[in-house]
Amino acid sequence: EDQVTQSPEALRLQEGESSSLNCSYTVSGLRGLFWYRQDPGKGPEFLFTLYSAGEEKEKERLKATLTKKESFLHITAPKPEDSATYLCAVQAPTSGTYKYIFGTGTRLKVLA
Amino acid sequence: GAVVSQHPSRVICKSGTSVKIECRSLDFQATTMFWYRQFPKQSLMLMATSNEGSKATYEQGVEKDKFLINHASLTLSTLTVTSAHPEDSSFYICSANGASYEQYFGPGTRLTVT
Repeated sequence: EDQVTQSPEALRLQEGESSSLNCSYTVSGLRGLFWYRQDPGKGPEFLFTLYSAGEEKEKERLKATLTKKESFLHITAPKPEDSATYLCAVQAPTSGTYKYIFGTGTRLKVLA
Repeated sequence: GAVVSQHPSRVICKSGTSVKIECRSLDFQATTMFWYRQFPKQSLMLMATSNEGSKATYEQGVEKDKFLINHASLTLSTLTVTSAHPEDSSFYICSANGASYEQYFGPGTRLTVT
């Protein structure tokens, strides 16, 4: 069964304290792995797409990497404004179409 | 680019009434849109996949007669919650496919049924 697991569930960091969020997946026929940021009461905001193992993408303080079994979202020197829930999703074929399978997210809190 | 809007952002309705939520892709055409539901501190749950000009595909356990989806054009999909009940209160989010398989999400609609 296709599955996406994110860890940790919640993470508190001091400003400037770098860390990584994990997204482990089991899926047949991965077409892409996606990272999103979601603020409370808002829709998810697209961050990155990764397609194949070894691929890396960067945007400001965020860097996403992908292996055959998991993806990491590295946050370097985070700031309070990076506080949000980070969601990982994989896109896999299901019943003749492609759908997202979401993880449960990591709630990140960065303290000033 | 790749902006998706939803309307309304918040709606309060009485039990037994119907509510329509609109999802629009503002600067691109979307042949496929998706409707999700999200409970507090939980992830997104896919309700249905909406294809322009055809019937929506509903996920297992989602009542198609209760959650009516129409995708009449390449930029508009609507979700109508019929005969709403308090347990339908939730955060509803739509998304549309971008050019490289990514989905772009709307800002969400908070539905409260009293």
